[in-house]
Amino acid sequence: SYVLTQPPSVSVAPGRTARITCGGNNIGSKSVHWYQQMPGQAPVLVVYDDSDRPSGVPERFSGSNSGNTATLTISRVEDGDEADYYCQVWDSSNDHWGEFGGGTKLTVL
Amino acid sequence: EVQLLESGGDLLQPGGSLRLSCAGSGFTFSRFAMSWVRQAPGKGLEWVSAITSTGGSTYYADSVKGRFTISRDSSKNTLFLQMNSLRVEDTAIYFCAKGVGAMVRGASDLWGRGTLVTVSS
Repeated sequence: SYVLTQPPSVSVAPGRTARITCGGNNIGSKSVHWYQQMPGQAPVLVVYDDSDRPSGVPERFSGSNSGNTATLTISRVEDGDEADYYCQVWDSSNDHWGEFGGGTKLTVL
Repeated sequence: EVQLLESGGDLLQPGGSLRLSCAGSGFTFSRFAMSWVRQAPGKGLEWVSAITSTGGSTYYADSVKGRFTISRDSSKNTLFLQMNSLRVEDTAIYFCAKGVGAMVRGASDLWGRGTLVTVSS
């Protein structure tokens, strides 16, 4: 399968910038989507196709993707951003499709 | 209101079968690909299956291939997941999710709240 590697946890102080990475072989050639999941709730799409934001998602959320690493960047972090974040790609090789990364717990200090 | 509502989750024994449903409302269901994603207790998201808007193509994770079948009835705005030969490791919350377009290769921009499937002897 296509393996996506995320750090289990990232900690950041309020007002600072958080960067959550998603590593995969030549991931820069794929479209990466990012989801936020609050405890006990369904995931919410925050970035799609590497760097696009759905309507309603604050501009503080941005994404980039190059080489072997995609990155979700959250600027001016707020307490309400504390959640789990997952990256996802669709990989058609060998019939492996909607792969998710293992998830990153963002803690706001 | 735009929403997805899953149903059908239950407690059952290994080897059993179950059919999950997901009712969509507030959008043109027939225009969008749909997916099932599951989350075992305390674990991360795992993609399970997806189907194109027409239902003409379906896709499965290796872990469920040959045991699960995804289908849709667009006349009833409903997505299904038939689950056979269930295993303890299939225990999870099952979410349905709407794709951003007709094909499966894309983000999921609307998710249901999930339905719990527990497989235990």
